[in-house]
Amino acid sequence: SYVLTQPPSVSVAPGKTAKITCGGDNIGTKRVHWYQQRPGQAPVLVVYADSDRPSGIPDRFSGSNSAHTATLTISRVDAGDEADFYCQVWDSDSDYWVFGGGTKLTVL
Amino acid sequence: QVQLVQSGAEVRKPGASVKVSCKASGYSFLNYGIIWVRQAPGQGLEWMGWISPYNENTDYAQNFQGRVTMTTDASTSTAYMELRSLRSDDTAVFYCARESDDVSGGKYFDYWGQGTLVTVSS
Repeated sequence: SYVLTQPPSVSVAPGKTAKITCGGDNIGTKRVHWYQQRPGQAPVLVVYADSDRPSGIPDRFSGSNSAHTATLTISRVDAGDEADFYCQVWDSDSDYWVFGGGTKLTVL
Repeated sequence: QVQLVQSGAEVRKPGASVKVSCKASGYSFLNYGIIWVRQAPGQGLEWMGWISPYNENTDYAQNFQGRVTMTTDASTSTAYMELRSLRSDDTAVFYCARESDDVSGGKYFDYWGQGTLVTVSS
């Protein structure tokens, strides 16, 4: 089955840029979606189809995807961005939605 | 505005069943799939399956095959997820979400319910 690998944690100072990676075999050929989950809350879609943003999501959130790594970039990070972030793809070989293990973003 | 409102927390004994509801509003219920996701305490997201409210076609994840049944009631715009033969490791928050599908973006989960905690304990 298809595996998505995320770093367990990423730390960043306020005002700086955070990059959260999502590794997978030829992930560049798939559409990657990203969800933010604040403690005790439901996930929220922040980036879909590699780099598109749903309405209401600030342009500080951006995404890219190439070869074996997709990346979620959050610029001008503030304390309100602290959350777990999950990447997701559809594995057409097994007809399965696959999530990465999640990355906890900590704002120092 | 689009909303998915789930039923309240449940407590069950091992071996029992639980049925969680997810009431949709603010959009045409028949036009979007509904998916269910399990999240064990302190763990990540796990896709359980999908149902089309239009024709009630389903697609269940292998991990839940034989134990889960997803249904919908178009008259009330409500989706249901029933999980049987509960075990202690089924203790989790269960989420429903709307699956959007567009030509350029493909499929993704754009609106989520608030989650339902199911506790399995003797």
